[in-house]
Amino acid sequence: QKEVEQNSGPLSVPEGAIASLNCTYSDRGSQSFFWYRQYSGKSPELIMFIYSNGDKEDGRFTAQLNKASQYVSLLIRDSQPSDSATYLCAVNRDYGQNFVFGPGTRLSVLP
Amino acid sequence: DVKVTQSSRYLVKRTGEKVFLECVQDMDHENMFWYRQDPGLGLRLIYFSYDVKMKEKGDIPEGYSVSREKKERFSLILESASTNQTSMYLCASSFLLSSGTSGFSTDTQYFGPGTRLTVL
Repeated sequence: QKEVEQNSGPLSVPEGAIASLNCTYSDRGSQSFFWYRQYSGKSPELIMFIYSNGDKEDGRFTAQLNKASQYVSLLIRDSQPSDSATYLCAVNRDYGQNFVFGPGTRLSVLP
Repeated sequence: DVKVTQSSRYLVKRTGEKVFLECVQDMDHENMFWYRQDPGLGLRLIYFSYDVKMKEKGDIPEGYSVSREKKERFSLILESASTNQTSMYLCASSFLLSSGTSGFSTDTQYFGPGTRLTVL
């Protein structure tokens, strides 16, 4: 089993819809969870991080964490074409100094 | 503003050459990381460093070495470049934070723009 798994996509949603991106992880000791966005040919940029179970909202973005089920998700409300990118889920290793990244989900928001 | 820079955006080298990739951060971060990113394989950690002169192997260290002589600078070295090292190389940095009694937890990693290396 891979450490961090994501559906590779592409996930296509119409403009204005909610995009839901999911990520599962295998290390029960992981404490920190991050969502990065990566446009084609660019480096990843942080969208959100979450440490505690539940929801965390930041503008149009909501991160959801369920440690018992070992999944973290990202919801993007009112999706815009500019949200079209690959979304990377990253999980820290148990109190470790480094992350493991999922393969990314490619999101396409259709105008 | 957060700033991580990498020495080159594009680099073309020949098989067997020694290659240096340099990364500099101006945020006084303790941690620095080198990744490579390949289609279908995602981001994979090569090496990381949590302090000057300290280094730890990541998931794919074979064929690479690193150097961290100053806090702000982390170099990735390909001793003898091979075609299978053609890739996008990304540097990142982060603070080392204490999460109270739980120990240490890595903070957000900030990425440089990347170096696309082609080995012919």
